[in-house]
Amino acid sequence: ETGVTQTPRHLVMGMTNKKSLKCEQHLGHNAMYWYKQSAKKPLELMFVYNFKEQTENNSVPSRFSPECPNSSHLFLHLHTLQPEDSALYLCASSLIRTDLYGYTFGSGTRLTVV
Amino acid sequence: GQQLNQSPQSMFIQEGEDVSMNCTSSSIFNTWLWYKQDPGEGPVLLIALYKAGELTSNGRLTAQFGITRKDSFLNISASIPSDVGIYFCAGQGERRNAGGTSYGKLTFGQGTILTVHP
Repeated sequence: ETGVTQTPRHLVMGMTNKKSLKCEQHLGHNAMYWYKQSAKKPLELMFVYNFKEQTENNSVPSRFSPECPNSSHLFLHLHTLQPEDSALYLCASSLIRTDLYGYTFGSGTRLTVV
Repeated sequence: GQQLNQSPQSMFIQEGEDVSMNCTSSSIFNTWLWYKQDPGEGPVLLIALYKAGELTSNGRLTAQFGITRKDSFLNISASIPSDVGIYFCAGQGERRNAGGTSYGKLTFGQGTILTVHP
């Protein structure tokens, strides 16, 4: 247990479904991140939130919609996904001044789009 | 943007062998981090380096922050089967806003997939 909890751990969804991924941390961190990790590809940063405000969107398709209601919770809302969106989705958190602690990652949600 | 080149991409070794991997960057970083990702899990921080030239150990792991601040290496001595996984380097630069606060976003390497044969 790293202190960053992601649910669900596994998710299978159809292309017409709507689902949400949840991330929760109680480490006192004030920045949260969504990463996508596909097979044989490096970690791809999707979204960054600092103090609940989105500060970065790395050209992510609109079928992925993040939400950060407070510094402890982060959601990724999914709708009309494509099979190529199947991947491990990782949430991470950090202190904004991160030169001392780096990022703490959750265990990820393994998403399969059928 | 900043780029990190991590090598090798994969390694297949025998138990007991030593392992070495490295990362190089086109930009200077203030912090270098090494993570390990077990299958089906998220990356976990192994070692953090904060000063150029710094050499830090964590058990059988040793990492160094390059003098030029553009590279770092990770060594694993006497590998064991549980060392299997993906190892990521990450570099952190620094930028300041008008208020003087630093926001150091991590840049990750592509990862090194390590396989250890018993």
